[in-house]
Amino acid sequence: EIVLTQSPGTLSLSPGERATLSCRASQSVSSSYLAWYQQKPGQAPRLLIYGTSSRATGIPVRFSGSGSGTDFTLTISRLEPQDFAVYYCQQYGNSPLFTFGPGTKVDIK
Amino acid sequence: QVQLQESGPGLVKPSETLSLTCTVSAGSITSFYWSWIRQPPGKGLEWIGYISYSGSTNSNPSLKSRITMSVDTSKKQFSLKLSSVTAADTAVYYCAGSGYNNLYYFDYWAQGTLVTVSS
Repeated sequence: EIVLTQSPGTLSLSPGERATLSCRASQSVSSSYLAWYQQKPGQAPRLLIYGTSSRATGIPVRFSGSGSGTDFTLTISRLEPQDFAVYYCQQYGNSPLFTFGPGTKVDIK
Repeated sequence: QVQLQESGPGLVKPSETLSLTCTVSAGSITSFYWSWIRQPPGKGLEWIGYISYSGSTNSNPSLKSRITMSVDTSKKQFSLKLSSVTAADTAVYYCAGSGYNNLYYFDYWAQGTLVTVSS
């Protein structure tokens, strides 16, 4: 099983600041198989990034993804008030077919 | 734009079977793999399993022995049964869709339904 670790657990930032979220895999993950989701309280997760760096439909350009192998990053260039949420990375590949990281909470400083 | 809606009991007794159904609207049930994902209160996400429109399935080994999934294309519905539930199965359960040519991530999610296991 590929285990995903996300850091930091909580990121306290102000609107307008840059957020850098890390996702590390216990084994190499194909860049095609790494995705990021945003979840707000009481809501379902929303797909942000797929294939490491492709933005999903309707996702603003301030969200970007990068990485390869075992290290992946989600960057929010300038935080907007609506970006304060929990972010999960997810991989596809080994059994179980899909696993998620534990999440990074981005909250208002 | 695909829309998904779960339905099913919000309360299940320990040792009984949890049953949920997801209805697909405004989209084709044949264009996606359909997954179940759960989230215990205050915790992270766990993939349960998926079913295709043709009925092929894949599930999380940690739950496989207790899972039954089915699909009814005429009703545009797919279903999950989880047997022998315990309090550890209390969670918000989501149904979600992955494109047939892009199985690797979940494009569409339902709003989620909380299922509590308690006597």
